[in-house]
Amino acid sequence: DAGVIQSPRHEVTEMGQEVTLRCKPISGHDYLFWYRQTMMRGLELLIYFNNNVPIDDSGMPEDRFSAKMPNASFSTLKIQPSEPRDSAVYFCAISTSLYNEQFFGPGTRLTVL
Amino acid sequence: AQSVTQLDSHVSVSEGTPVLLRCNYSSSYSPSLFWYVQHPNKGLQLLLKYTSAATLVKGINGFEAEFKKSETSFHLTKPSAHMSDAAEYFCVVIVNQAGTALIFGKGTTLSVSS
Repeated sequence: DAGVIQSPRHEVTEMGQEVTLRCKPISGHDYLFWYRQTMMRGLELLIYFNNNVPIDDSGMPEDRFSAKMPNASFSTLKIQPSEPRDSAVYFCAISTSLYNEQFFGPGTRLTVL
Repeated sequence: AQSVTQLDSHVSVSEGTPVLLRCNYSSSYSPSLFWYVQHPNKGLQLLLKYTSAATLVKGINGFEAEFKKSETSFHLTKPSAHMSDAAEYFCVVIVNQAGTALIFGKGTTLSVSS
């Protein structure tokens, strides 16, 4: 977990509110991934970036979800407006290559009431 | 289309007995295969990976996996389970052909009893 910082660790919000999840990776890893994990659907890849550029966002469930990576050391995942079915643990992961080990952050547990 | 199937959602073993977690994949191209472990309230950690070198891959904590192309399998094994092995395990397939597919299995929960 030490290579990826995610904040907040826990977030509780009400339906309709905007939620922003943050990821701060250590340098030297060109790939950044966002995942969502639920009991029902397991672990899902939402989007990944290479050198700050979004490469594949086919896993983003709806237009309510958006992700940005303005620089190599910061990425955000935003949900606007949030819905109860968005409740999940969201992970950020980094890698030097698509085929190398991914280093996962500790996750953000999101609860939408 | 590429896919990965973890054949057991839950496996229970006694401490000191062998562990077998099964993973089958479907791919028209040569895949890279990984096993990750997730302990409660933690992110995933790499156990081992196969990337077209030796078919028997050794990982951390005494785990190993064998790539069998004829059976399209990549099962994870350990000779003797330890209580600390209790966790969720994910098999992952990455295929790079006409676009890259990164696919996680649904996970297998391993319980270890004393």
